Amino acid sequence: ETGVTQTPRHLVMGMTNKKSLKCEQHLGHNAMYWYKQSAKKPLELMFVYNFKEQTENNSVPSRFSPECPNSSHLFLHLHTLQPEDSALYLCASSLTTDMESGANVLTFGAGSRLTVL
Amino acid sequence: GQNIDQPTEMTATEGAIVQINCTYQTSGFNGLFWYQQHAGEAPTFLSYNVLDGLEEKGRFSSFLSRSKGYSYLLLKELQMKDSASYLCASMDSNYQLIWGAGTKLIIKP
Repeated sequence: ETGVTQTPRHLVMGMTNKKSLKCEQHLGHNAMYWYKQSAKKPLELMFVYNFKEQTENNSVPSRFSPECPNSSHLFLHLHTLQPEDSALYLCASSLTTDMESGANVLTFGAGSRLTVL
Repeated sequence: GQNIDQPTEMTATEGAIVQINCTYQTSGFNGLFWYQQHAGEAPTFLSYNVLDGLEEKGRFSSFLSRSKGYSYLLLKELQMKDSASYLCASMDSNYQLIWGAGTKLIIKP
């Protein structure tokens, strides 16, 4: 247990379904991130929130919709996904988005394995 | 463009030493990270290097050469539990992390 909890761990959905992924941390961190991890590919940063405000959207299709109601919770709402969206979605948190110290490391959750049929 | 290269897969024997290399080309440089990810688990932080040289942490050491755009992770006295993927990430001038695709390390008895 890393301190970042993701649910569900596994999700299978059809292309017309609507589902949500949830991420929760109680580490006192103020920054939260969504990453996409596909087999044999680098981690892709999707969204960044700092103190509940979205600070980055890495050209992610609108079928992915993030929500950050507070610094401890992060959601990724999914609708009308495509089979190529099947991947492991990792949530991470850090103290802030200020990476200048280098000590501001990311704490990851175990991920939600998404399969789109 | 920005790029991180690391081997896709490596195999080593229990008790031995293995070195996982990572080369990076990024717009500026503000440090290099190594993370470990066991199958089905969260990536966990191993090391951060921003200055040239070797940093040792128990059985794991990380090396950086800024002039060569090169880092390696050295694992000594390998144990079966070291079987995992090892992710290299370079921080560019905008403090964005550029990730490699990871190296899957297989430890054999």
